[in-house]
Amino acid sequence: DSGVTQTPKHLITATGQRVTLRCSPRSGDLSVYWYQQSLDQGLQFLIQYYNGEERAKGNILERFSAQQFPDLHSELNLSSLELGDSALYFCASSSRGELSQPQHFGDGTRLSIL
Amino acid sequence: DAKTTQPPSMDCAEGRAANLPCNHSTISGNEYVYWYRQIHSQGPQYIIHGLKNNETNEMASLIITEDRKSSTLILPHATLRDTAVYYCIVRGTDSWGKLQFGAGTQVVVTP
Repeated sequence: DSGVTQTPKHLITATGQRVTLRCSPRSGDLSVYWYQQSLDQGLQFLIQYYNGEERAKGNILERFSAQQFPDLHSELNLSSLELGDSALYFCASSSRGELSQPQHFGDGTRLSIL
Repeated sequence: DAKTTQPPSMDCAEGRAANLPCNHSTISGNEYVYWYRQIHSQGPQYIIHGLKNNETNEMASLIITEDRKSSTLILPHATLRDTAVYYCIVRGTDSWGKLQFGAGTQVVVTP
């Protein structure tokens, strides 16, 4: 158990819809990261937050947004969903986001678009 | 960040040591070497990381060559539960903390 909690575990929805994925970081961790894993793209970094502020962006689509709340949990919002958004979405957390600190991953949310 | 090169697959006998190589010939002095693994579709699991010195924890050992251009992850006594994709990642200041996953090495531990 990494200590990172992601909900829901599975999500099935239709094209054009909007969903919210939730992540609770490990106790004491200030930095949260979101990754997407699809069959053809592998694990891709989406976005990082540190103590409520956006710190880095990766290949995140404009239809996707995220935020980190004062209690440090984070949400990833996906809108106008397309078939290609079907993937595993992982959240990771680390203490302060420094290079010497490992990221610990949750078990992911499997998103299926029908 | 420096790119890494790993063999696409490896087999290992249960109970034997598994030695997973990784080349990172363009690594910079302030870049760390991280190892993660992913069992089926579970979340990536942190194994170990190092900067210059060899490291050991309860899961594995990390051997980094003196010139830091390559490293080896050692699983001392492989079990069937160690079957997974293993990722070697070099992480530097220009990565803004993100992990850049490559294709990794598919390790299959056989009885």
